[in-house]
Amino acid sequence: QQPVQSPQAVILREGEDAVINCSSSKALYSVHWYRQKHGEAPVFLMILLKGGEQKGHEKISASFNEKKQQSSLYLTASQLSYSGTYFCGTEQVQGAQKLVFGQGTRLTINP
Amino acid sequence: DGGITQSPKYLFRKEGQNVTLSCEQNLNHDAMYWYRQDPGQGLRLIYYSQIVNDFQKGDIAEGYSVSREKKESFPLTVTSAQKNPTAFYLCASRGWSSGNNEQFFGPGTRLTVL
Repeated sequence: QQPVQSPQAVILREGEDAVINCSSSKALYSVHWYRQKHGEAPVFLMILLKGGEQKGHEKISASFNEKKQQSSLYLTASQLSYSGTYFCGTEQVQGAQKLVFGQGTRLTINP
Repeated sequence: DGGITQSPKYLFRKEGQNVTLSCEQNLNHDAMYWYRQDPGQGLRLIYYSQIVNDFQKGDIAEGYSVSREKKESFPLTVTSAQKNPTAFYLCASRGWSSGNNEQFFGPGTRLTVL
């Protein structure tokens, strides 16, 4: 039931765009996105609820495709501060209000 | 300031000893969670509690125990039965007021077994 993230790692130059995907085989109620810097706790970015609403936060946005049970995180004009590991946490429709996390996508931004 | 605190930040334990990790939140959240993270890996759920005096096992509960006597507190005990306890332990809390159900993490406790 663990969601699958892709790609596992990506390297960009500052200013380039990136897309990180999160797919589940289960019907989802919500998808949560986090960024974790090395040695630190994950930081909440945004939540997407069932209904397909796209959210945005500065140059970071995300979408949720209910039909595919897939969420995508979009990072545009990446900055050095965007480096880190991104995790999606999924909550199932028939679940116990708990998140199951993907294995993470490591994003490296070079000057 | 509202938030989640975990203590200690670093913890060293000898094999065969039980240790308790503290987690406190002042966000008035109903639900609290414990995760384990191994180097380069994702987050795995150990235990969670949605209400005081009730908790459920997660995916890797063996060798761990918890209690939820107060809404604000959710301590985790790593027992000697846990075969490989060295890891980064993260506590999280979540609320559902006003339609917001974000889950936030504490700063974590790094446990090393000597």
